[in-house]
Amino acid sequence: SQTIHQWPATLVQPVGSPLSLECTVEGTSNPNLYWYRQAAGRGLQLLFYSVGIGQISSEVPQNLSASRPQDRQFILSSKKLLLSDSGFYLCAWSVRGIENTGELFFGEGSRLTVL
Amino acid sequence: DAKTTQPPSMDCAEGRAANLPCNHSTISGNEYVYWYRQIHSQGPQYIIHGLKNNETNEMASLIITEDRKSSTLILPHATLRDTAVYYCIVRGYSGNTGKLIFGQGTTLQVKP
Repeated sequence: SQTIHQWPATLVQPVGSPLSLECTVEGTSNPNLYWYRQAAGRGLQLLFYSVGIGQISSEVPQNLSASRPQDRQFILSSKKLLLSDSGFYLCAWSVRGIENTGELFFGEGSRLTVL
Repeated sequence: DAKTTQPPSMDCAEGRAANLPCNHSTISGNEYVYWYRQIHSQGPQYIIHGLKNNETNEMASLIITEDRKSSTLILPHATLRDTAVYYCIVRGYSGNTGKLIFGQGTTLQVKP
């Protein structure tokens, strides 16, 4: 069966520090991968998605970047965190291509607090 | 993708059916209706989706009106664990991306 792992689960970072969140998927190949963010009391915002290694699409301009160095690995990064980067970050995957049914599978999330 | 409108919050008594409405009056013929839910501090969970016909699975039923401009998610016997934010999403063929755009959803509070 397929599983998705995200880490770290929780982190507290000072303003201006770098960030790296990692996500890996097991039990499937060639997945679509996504990063979502949920600010406190807000809805889910799609930040990035990727349909293959090295292919990253950004949905909103921001202080963050994403990379996909391997087929089942998705990394969210920042060089200098802002207070507004605080939130709950969720990685997700879906089946790629015509077999995609619209079902996204989410990780357990990473809660980031920037102080 | 068509826009959806959901009430911001609803209450339901434990053991009763929870009926969550969603309006999607601009839906086009090839767009599906998806429902997800998000329990506090967890990632969203897929519930069900449909195109035209009503659908049922072990979690819920989806009733889509004949004109497809609205739908209702039914949780037949709500429990306290069904307290969550429920998202109604309309999406057509997304090409190769599979992405979903979430709105604000409906916060369902199941009360004992």
